[in-house]
Amino acid sequence: DTAVSQTPKYLVTQMGNDKSIKCEQNLGHDTMYWYKQDSKKFLKIMFSYNNKELIINETVPNRFSPKSPDKAHLNLHINSLELGDSAVYFCASSRGLKSYEQYFGPGTRLTVT
Amino acid sequence: DAKTTQPNSMESNEEEPVHLPCNHSTISGTDYIHWYRQLPSQGPEYVIHGLTSNVNNRMASLAIAEDRKSSTLILHRATLRDAAVYYCILTSYNQGGKLIFGQGTELSVKP
Repeated sequence: DTAVSQTPKYLVTQMGNDKSIKCEQNLGHDTMYWYKQDSKKFLKIMFSYNNKELIINETVPNRFSPKSPDKAHLNLHINSLELGDSAVYFCASSRGLKSYEQYFGPGTRLTVT
Repeated sequence: DAKTTQPNSMESNEEEPVHLPCNHSTISGTDYIHWYRQLPSQGPEYVIHGLTSNVNNRMASLAIAEDRKSSTLILHRATLRDAAVYYCILTSYNQGGKLIFGQGTELSVKP
């Protein structure tokens, strides 16, 4: 059983398109996150949600909109894709905001052409 | 945000111990020291964490300096599967779970 899963694994799209990445966790966790890893391999947090409530929004452009339909899902919708959005996006989850251990998904490699 | 400093890369031989250092001279009293690793083409994976005392788990040991300004992740017997980027991260529990990743140490393991 995959603890944190993401779909799709790879996403190639053109500039200006709108796309979504889905994340699901089957660990019963309350908190979920989105991280972005750029071409230089730097990992940076984008958002965190706790019990479907937005907790962290790290000055991410408004084109990025997370949506949490329930505690087990945190999807990332990106409008008007730009070349600079090309990166690997990781979803993660933890028991709660004060949990020391985050479980990461396998990542979604987004390529914008 | 508290900063950490790690060597960019380290090499180890298989089945030998590995000591991965991390400096965090600006650590605050509420900061926990976390270690994650990222194997090639995978998401990061939790390794271990601690506050003041040394910690052991099935994956590794964490040695924390008495003044808490540095720590060392110890892999007791490196395997080829341990080749990864190891991240030392400080976080306190009033930060909403935010992990701030630095550049990490890329560990290569030679057979």
